[in-house]
Amino acid sequence: DAGVTQSPTHLIKTRGQQVTLRCSPKSGHDTVSWYQQALGQGPQFIFQYYEEEERQRGNFPDRFSGHQFPNYSSELNVNALLLGDSALYLCASSLFQGATQYNEQFFGPGTRLTVL
Amino acid sequence: LAKTTQPISMDSYEGQEVNITCSHNNIATNDYITWYQQFPSQGPRFIIQGYKTKVTNEVASLFIPADRKSSTLSLPRVSLSDTAVYYCLVGDWAGGYNKLIFGAGTRLAVHP
Repeated sequence: DAGVTQSPTHLIKTRGQQVTLRCSPKSGHDTVSWYQQALGQGPQFIFQYYEEEERQRGNFPDRFSGHQFPNYSSELNVNALLLGDSALYLCASSLFQGATQYNEQFFGPGTRLTVL
Repeated sequence: LAKTTQPISMDSYEGQEVNITCSHNNIATNDYITWYQQFPSQGPRFIIQGYKTKVTNEVASLFIPADRKSSTLSLPRVSLSDTAVYYCLVGDWAGGYNKLIFGAGTRLAVHP
């Protein structure tokens, strides 16, 4: 049973460019969350998708957008890249089990984005 | 979500028991306490979760005093492979969406 997979593993872009990162959730999971982790810091929540809709969003500008597909996979898009966007981007998946349940999130290995 | 405070780093030796304490003075009635582990170049991994008293699983134990203003993650007989960053998270999971708020974590280094 495959866990959460992300592609690509590494990516190098220049300022002003756009990037798309991809995530396939763990089998049976229907919810995908994205996190940004700068070097030496903890992951910061970007947004979460469930039923193809953005359900929660962290404190990130509109340059960060996402999408969830019918097969539950997800994309993270970042426009007009800045040097400060260089980070490890983590995808986490979970199964929605109810409004008052803790839905354990399983993280992928991440995509390392370097902006030059 | 309640703010957490934990030591920036800790050192230990193989075979020792390691206790990492997290302070969460503003924890709310509905908040749970969850610990994650992260190895270099990997995503965080769920270790343990509790609400009060003591929780134990095959990896660790979590001790929560009655006032719930702190918690202690206990790792028995650590090995070199336990070298990682450990995050303490506190949150109310109502709504089912579970937005995880990470702090800087505690960097544990286990030495031979």
